[in-house]
Amino acid sequence: DGGITQSPKYLFRKEGQNVTLSCEQNLNHDAMYWYRQDPGQGLRLIYYSQIVNDFQKGDIAEGYSVSREKKESFPLTVTSAQKNPTAFYLCASSIQGGGYGYTFGSGTRLTVV
Amino acid sequence: DQQVKQNSPSLSVQEGRISILNCDYTNSMFDYFLWYKKYPAEGPTFLISISSIKDKNEDGRFTVFLNKSAKHLSLHIVPSQPGDSAVYFCAASYTGANSKLTFGKGITLSVRP
Repeated sequence: DGGITQSPKYLFRKEGQNVTLSCEQNLNHDAMYWYRQDPGQGLRLIYYSQIVNDFQKGDIAEGYSVSREKKESFPLTVTSAQKNPTAFYLCASSIQGGGYGYTFGSGTRLTVV
Repeated sequence: DQQVKQNSPSLSVQEGRISILNCDYTNSMFDYFLWYKKYPAEGPTFLISISSIKDKNEDGRFTVFLNKSAKHLSLHIVPSQPGDSAVYFCAASYTGANSKLTFGKGITLSVRP
């Protein structure tokens, strides 16, 4: 079955450490996205990529980095520069453009202590 | 500037009654609208969508109404069930090669048994 997989489900890191969240899809989608969900904030776009080897900043890119070396993979690195990294992170993918809807992964809960 | 607004953060209804979730938008270019449902610690799942050429779309217990002149859409759930308790996100997009979804902040629906 085609889908989008995020791993791990729960992640704990010490303050000051970088951490990378994995996102893999086998839907043959061109575009991939990273969102962050905080209580009362909805879904906020961190980074997105419409094509391999290209990506753009979203609304809250500071303290995050991404890469898109393969169509299937879009890992997100939460760096030590991110002031409030504890959150629920969601990866999504779509056909080119994305305007007709996304498929979301099941999310990664990152807790920084 | 928030282009998709879900002004009520929460809604509580009795099982069997109608749930009406509202969404307003400001960008006149939006021509496709979607609703996503999200349970805690899970990714959002697609629920129903509507194109701007229609004013109503129905799928089982779920109906979405679009009022373009008022820039308003609503999701009706009839009858409401306890399993419908979740966060519902309204999203919008416009036709274009690089169009992304713009999400509202979500509304938490609680269906009381």
